[in-house]
Amino acid sequence: ILNVEQSPQSLHVQEGDSTNFTCSFPSSNFYALHWYRWETAKSPEALFVMTLNGDEKKKGRISATLNTKEGYSYLYIKGSQPEDSATYLCASSGSEKLVFGKGTKLTVNP
Amino acid sequence: DSGVTQTPKHLITATGQRVTLRCSPRSGDLSVYWYQQSLDQGLQFLIQYYNGEERAKGNILERFSAQQFPDLHSELNLSSLELGDSALYFCASSPWTSGGRRGNEQFFGPGTRLTVL
Repeated sequence: ILNVEQSPQSLHVQEGDSTNFTCSFPSSNFYALHWYRWETAKSPEALFVMTLNGDEKKKGRISATLNTKEGYSYLYIKGSQPEDSATYLCASSGSEKLVFGKGTKLTVNP
Repeated sequence: DSGVTQTPKHLITATGQRVTLRCSPRSGDLSVYWYQQSLDQGLQFLIQYYNGEERAKGNILERFSAQQFPDLHSELNLSSLELGDSALYFCASSPWTSGGRRGNEQFFGPGTRLTVL
């Protein structure tokens, strides 16, 4: 059974700060690592899907890295804005199903 | 808007009752996944269907069942409801069968909030 852990559980930053979160997952039987952004009262929205060790992906001010050998991924947000406030979920798969972490709740104060 | 639709948005029912949640995947997507989000829990995978057939099973209770129809919409049936079944139920869809292999992105619907009183 996969166990996906995310830290921190929550984070408060000021507008303009850069921040990062961690997702750790079992490195055995790894297939893919997903990052989702989940705004309150909306549905989770895919940010990145990464499959290869050393993968780095970027979308605007948000980027992610993947280390499959040690079983972790980092999500970075540069120059946080209030609209970045959301819960960021990571999910790992070792088979057909995704196993989600409990998320990191980010609040960006103006 | 992900293109995945779920009905109803909210459902309030009593213990012991049976409900059906409906999901229509994005146009062209063959896989449908059901997830449960309870208080203080992460998204829990329940079950996946691909092109009408059950593909993967997660932590789905025996009181719950699902199916995918020829038009690819899916229904999740919850019976003998208990207070602990109150949760947000999400449906997601993807083009392929493999939930995580080859970076198969899943697109989530808006969810159905079930309240069991």
